[in-house]
Amino acid sequence: GAGVSQSPSNKVTEKGKDVELRCDPISGHTALYWYRQSLGQGLEFLIYFQGNSAPDKSGLPSDRFSAERTGGSVSTLTIQRTQQEDSAVYLCASSLDMGSGRKFFGPGTRLTVL
Amino acid sequence: EDKVVQSPLSLVVHEGDTVTLNCSYEVTNFRSLLWYKQEKKAPTFLFMLTSSGIEKKSGRLSSILDKKELFSILNITATQTGDSAVYLCAVAGDTDKLIFGTGTRLQVFP
Repeated sequence: GAGVSQSPSNKVTEKGKDVELRCDPISGHTALYWYRQSLGQGLEFLIYFQGNSAPDKSGLPSDRFSAERTGGSVSTLTIQRTQQEDSAVYLCASSLDMGSGRKFFGPGTRLTVL
Repeated sequence: EDKVVQSPLSLVVHEGDTVTLNCSYEVTNFRSLLWYKQEKKAPTFLFMLTSSGIEKKSGRLSSILDKKELFSILNITATQTGDSAVYLCAVAGDTDKLIFGTGTRLQVFP
């Protein structure tokens, strides 16, 4: 595709359930980033990948959060035992490589935990 | 700790007005500063600045960086209702992750 895509666009889940969020970066982009935006807040960094490895996962808020990337392309962010405070828009971005500066964002997944 | 502070938090203007949005930052080993426009969900890229004093321009939008004073401004002239959005400033330092400010919400009324 022409841009970064994410699925689902919206996810409503019950507290305690696990969720998986998917990101398809722009073809050929080796760097991939996950951010979280809570209502009225700025973007909060979660983790980034260069290829399939994650040099910086310092932003993951707890061990309930994990992410992986396979084949240097698709990434999934998994949240286990969701809590209400996990409700946010989860944004994925990609860039040609690390250090290239310009990141292209996907449309995000709006997660609501009831 | 790396941080980005934007001001004002919100701005309400009429079409045709000129606005200036501010971004100050503290970051280890600064590499670049980026401006994004966020209307619904996905932030869309506006500018990337790496050098002081060089204005970047795109139509009615322009931006400049001052690396000595650690700030950037985004100017929008002759504002239109379509400029209504949240404008995000972000900086990249050591680790390539972007550190974002909380944004400036701009509302342009006819």
